[in-house]
Amino acid sequence: KQEVTQIPAALSVPEGENLVLNCSFTDSAIYNLQWFRQDPGKGLTSLLLIQSSQREQTSGRLNASLDKSSGRSTLYIAASQPGDSATYLCAGILSGSARQLTFGSGTQLTVLP
Amino acid sequence: DAGVIQSPRHEVTEMGQEVTLRCKPISGHDYLFWYRQTMMRGLELLIYFNNNVPIDDSGMPEDRFSAKMPNASFSTLKIQPSEPRDSAVYFCASSFLTGGSGNTIYFGEGSWLTVV
Repeated sequence: KQEVTQIPAALSVPEGENLVLNCSFTDSAIYNLQWFRQDPGKGLTSLLLIQSSQREQTSGRLNASLDKSSGRSTLYIAASQPGDSATYLCAGILSGSARQLTFGSGTQLTVLP
Repeated sequence: DAGVIQSPRHEVTEMGQEVTLRCKPISGHDYLFWYRQTMMRGLELLIYFNNNVPIDDSGMPEDRFSAKMPNASFSTLKIQPSEPRDSAVYFCASSFLTGGSGNTIYFGEGSWLTVV
């Protein structure tokens, strides 16, 4: 069974700092990996999707990487802003399975002004 | 597109009552998922459909839970009878199987259920 782990559970940084959020998964036979953002009381917003044939994806100040051999993905946020404060979740889809996501428990990020 | 639309956004009900949550997926998407989020267990997949057909309902916690998708634009998740431990946020999500170009899954805003 695929398990997804996110470390740290919470992170607090000053505005402007570059930061990395970590996600690890137990099964390297992963089809794709998706990073989401969740604001309090809100749904999940998809940030980046990395397919198994890709190594990274970029969108604005966000960069996500995927290393299947080591079972790890990272989300890099450059020049963090208070508006980046949210919970960030990674989720993987296992190869051979259908399209259901297995979620990590999330990293709660606070960017201090 | 308006995205995945869920209703109601918030519901408070008494234990033993029937609860029906509704979802309208993004037009053209062929997969629909129901997830539940709690503090203790995080996000859990309850059931998903492909082309209106239930594919995997192994995440449905008990027989009190049932889900239907009568057509491509509508799905319901029903809890009967409801119990306090069913209190959670229920998310509907949809996606389109596009082969090599993505399979990004899009979530609704959630239905916040409180059973008292």
